[in-house]
Amino acid sequence: GAGVSQSPSNKVTEKGKDVELRCDPISGHTALYWYRQRLGQGLEFLIYFQGNSAPDKSGLPSDRFSAERTGESVSTLTIQRTQQEDSAVYLCASSSQAGSYTEAFFGQGTRLTVV
Amino acid sequence: AQRVTQPEKLLSVFKGAPVELKCNYSYSGSPELFWYVQYSRQRLQLLLRHISRESIKGFTADLNKGETSFHLKKPFAQEEDSAMYYCALSLTGGFKTIFGAGTRLFVKA
Repeated sequence: GAGVSQSPSNKVTEKGKDVELRCDPISGHTALYWYRQRLGQGLEFLIYFQGNSAPDKSGLPSDRFSAERTGESVSTLTIQRTQQEDSAVYLCASSSQAGSYTEAFFGQGTRLTVV
Repeated sequence: AQRVTQPEKLLSVFKGAPVELKCNYSYSGSPELFWYVQYSRQRLQLLLRHISRESIKGFTADLNKGETSFHLKKPFAQEEDSAMYYCALSLTGGFKTIFGAGTRLFVKA
């Protein structure tokens, strides 16, 4: 497809388990972002990739959170030993640095519920 | 440090009333500013960007470099405008986009 795709769209996991969230950005987009959106709250920045490297990891809330990106394409956000407070919608966005056209395109999000 | 501030978490107005969602930014370079909107059960999407000087769905936003503001305005709010609105700053060269915390607009009948 032409847009940003995230999988799974919904994930229910037991407290203490690890989860992996996947993001397929728009082809050719060099920048990729992960955000967290708790119910009724705004966007919380997690991590930003430029190509395969992450110049800004400042938003990762703890060392249980990690992310990687390969081939300047797919990115995976991993949460280890999930806690109930990790329940949220995790959004991925990508953008191109072509000229000044830097609109960010968002995926539909992964709704994570930790029970 | 670069920062985008949206001082209001929630803004409630009556249908037909004017609405202004505030956004202030902090950035020493030449900013590109955007407003994004998220309607209920839809993905976050671009509403407008300052370089286009456009009006989308009756909304406009003017970049004021002196006040470092990019407030979103609409003269007559509609119920379908109820949504979450995010102001965003793209740094020079587009290497990073920073979002504000968002303002939830609720338009009452």
